[in-house]
Amino acid sequence: DAGITQSPRHKVTETGTPVTLRCHQTENHRYMYWYRQDPGHGLRLIHYSYGVKDTDKGEVSDGYSVSRSKTEDFLLTLESATSSQTSVYFCAISESGVEDPGANVLTFGAGSRLTVL
Amino acid sequence: RKEVEQDPGPFNVPEGATVAFNCTYSNSASQSFFWYRQDCRKEPKLLMSVYSSGNEDGRFTAQLNRASQYISLLIRDSKLSDSATYLCVPYTGGGNKLTFGTGTQLKVEL
Repeated sequence: DAGITQSPRHKVTETGTPVTLRCHQTENHRYMYWYRQDPGHGLRLIHYSYGVKDTDKGEVSDGYSVSRSKTEDFLLTLESATSSQTSVYFCAISESGVEDPGANVLTFGAGSRLTVL
Repeated sequence: RKEVEQDPGPFNVPEGATVAFNCTYSNSASQSFFWYRQDCRKEPKLLMSVYSSGNEDGRFTAQLNRASQYISLLIRDSKLSDSATYLCVPYTGGGNKLTFGTGTQLKVEL
């Protein structure tokens, strides 16, 4: 299995508190992604990174920020958590962003289940 | 029309049966596709990549119909372990442009 770990795996927090989820990879892949998965919506891209300190927004980026100070780590921060951010968050990695489908196969972490009360 | 549409199911089939489900897509620029399987409360894992008209891997066959813009996944001789949700993902270029379907749930029963 690809070396990608997420922490924490489960978190319960209260509305208005900050939350940071961490994704760590040992594959030295350039691209890292944060998705959220909710019933009826499938996986939706929050933010992604194409290199150290290089990030961009995805489809549902409002209320989230990210940082990537090292190749292996990609952090997702909810500055002030809301109940609508209750979800399962998946980190994913891919080898490259070039126009080659094979290089864009995503490998996912095990997920972080976040509940905002 | 949604970018990716899948019948949510569940498809309940007996062990040993053949089952097929379709995924329709709206972007005609989609040249390749991925099928992921996701077990309950687990992460998605790549099942198959489809780079041309189709692909076959053991009991699993994917067929692409570009004219009607759908891709199908056929599973032969279903096993209990095939019970999962199958996600269709058209590829239009770039890992940041993947659009995941909501998935089709398969339940294989004794």
